[in-house]
Amino acid sequence: GAGVSQTPSNKVTEKGKYVELRCDPISGHTALYWYRQSLGQGPEFLIYFQGTGAADDSGLPNDRFFAVRPEGSVSTLKIQRTERGDSAVYLCASSFAAQGGTGELFFGEGSRLTVL
Amino acid sequence: QQPVQSPQAVILREGEDAVINCSSSKALYSVHWYRQKHGEAPVFLMILLKGGEQKGHDKISASFNEKKQQSSLYLTASQLSYSGTYFCGTERKYGNKLVFGAGTILRVKS
Repeated sequence: GAGVSQTPSNKVTEKGKYVELRCDPISGHTALYWYRQSLGQGPEFLIYFQGTGAADDSGLPNDRFFAVRPEGSVSTLKIQRTERGDSAVYLCASSFAAQGGTGELFFGEGSRLTVL
Repeated sequence: QQPVQSPQAVILREGEDAVINCSSSKALYSVHWYRQKHGEAPVFLMILLKGGEQKGHDKISASFNEKKQQSSLYLTASQLSYSGTYFCGTERKYGNKLVFGAGTILRVKS
């Protein structure tokens, strides 16, 4: 596709369940970011990948959160034992970063997670 | 580490100007500006990489004062389409993560 694709767009789950959120970045983009956005707040950094490796995972709130990007393209954010406080929109963004540092980020539409 | 944005919200009439500020307590490598409309993904506006740099397109421009670790976004002759939430993102050094501020809500009324 032409843009960043995220699935599912909406996920409702019960407290304690396991959830996977998928991000398909723009083809050729080497950098991939995960952010979490709560209502009325800015995107909160979680993790970013350069290729297959996590370049910085300092934003992951705790060990219930984990993300992978095994082939340097699609990424999956995994949340174990979900809690009500995990409810938010999870945004994925990709970047070509040709100039170094963080280039223009192209965001997906997000996955809205609701934990009941 | 999160940059501080001001004001939190601003209401304008079409044709009026606005300035949104972004400041950091740490030295910065770059400042990024994004706009997000309700229910949509953030959209890139511009990146400023050098101290004292100014950039702009159309009637939206920005400055970056590296010494003061501040950036300002200037919207002139605002249009209804400028409404949305503006976020600055800061990068402390090359290859580092991009951290966003809490946002400034801009509403342009006719």
